[in-house]
Amino acid sequence: EAGVAQSPRYKIIEKRQSVAFWCNPISGHATLYWYQQILGQGPKLLIQFQNNGVVDDSQLPKDRFSAERLKGVDSTLKIQPAKLEDSAVYLCASSSNSGAGYEQYFGPGTRLTVT
Amino acid sequence: DAKTTQPPSMDCAEGRAANLPCNHSTISGNEYVYWYRQIHSQGPQYIIHGLKNNETNEMASLIITEDRKSSTLILPHATLRDTAVYYCIVRVGPGGSNYKLTFGKGTLLTVNP
Repeated sequence: EAGVAQSPRYKIIEKRQSVAFWCNPISGHATLYWYQQILGQGPKLLIQFQNNGVVDDSQLPKDRFSAERLKGVDSTLKIQPAKLEDSAVYLCASSSNSGAGYEQYFGPGTRLTVT
Repeated sequence: DAKTTQPPSMDCAEGRAANLPCNHSTISGNEYVYWYRQIHSQGPQYIIHGLKNNETNEMASLIITEDRKSSTLILPHATLRDTAVYYCIVRVGPGGSNYKLTFGKGTLLTVNP
């Protein structure tokens, strides 16, 4: 079974520029999550999708961050414009609502550096 | 979600059992204890979860106290590849409506040769 795919793996941009991250979840997983992980901290949930609908985006900075999950499969997370404090690893995860523990499977992440 | 308290770091000798504690004194009756780990430069990986009974799988064992206010993750024979940050998380289990994980800073387990 293929895991969660993310691209790019690394991205360096200047502040005020825009950036987009892509995630392809495990096939058949209805729920998709985007997390932000700042160095030295645990991941923080930004947004959760159930199929192509948003379940929770309470911690998404909506003035600069946006995310979509068209057709309920892959997803993109965009930052526009980026700030220095957005430097972090952006993790995508997916889960099946039929799994025994609804455990989340994480991708390798995209490391963003804003200079 | 209830908060958890974990030691920031622990050491363990290779081949010995690693016992990682977690306090979750405000856990609710419908909340489960989940453990994930994150190896350097990788995404978190699910290990195990439980409600009130002890659980065991191919990776680890989970011991939950009778009052459910604390738990211990046991890696029976730690290897160098088990060096990682281990996160203890409490959240609503299967059947809930929101499967959000709230991560703390976790415990950095270092397995030494």
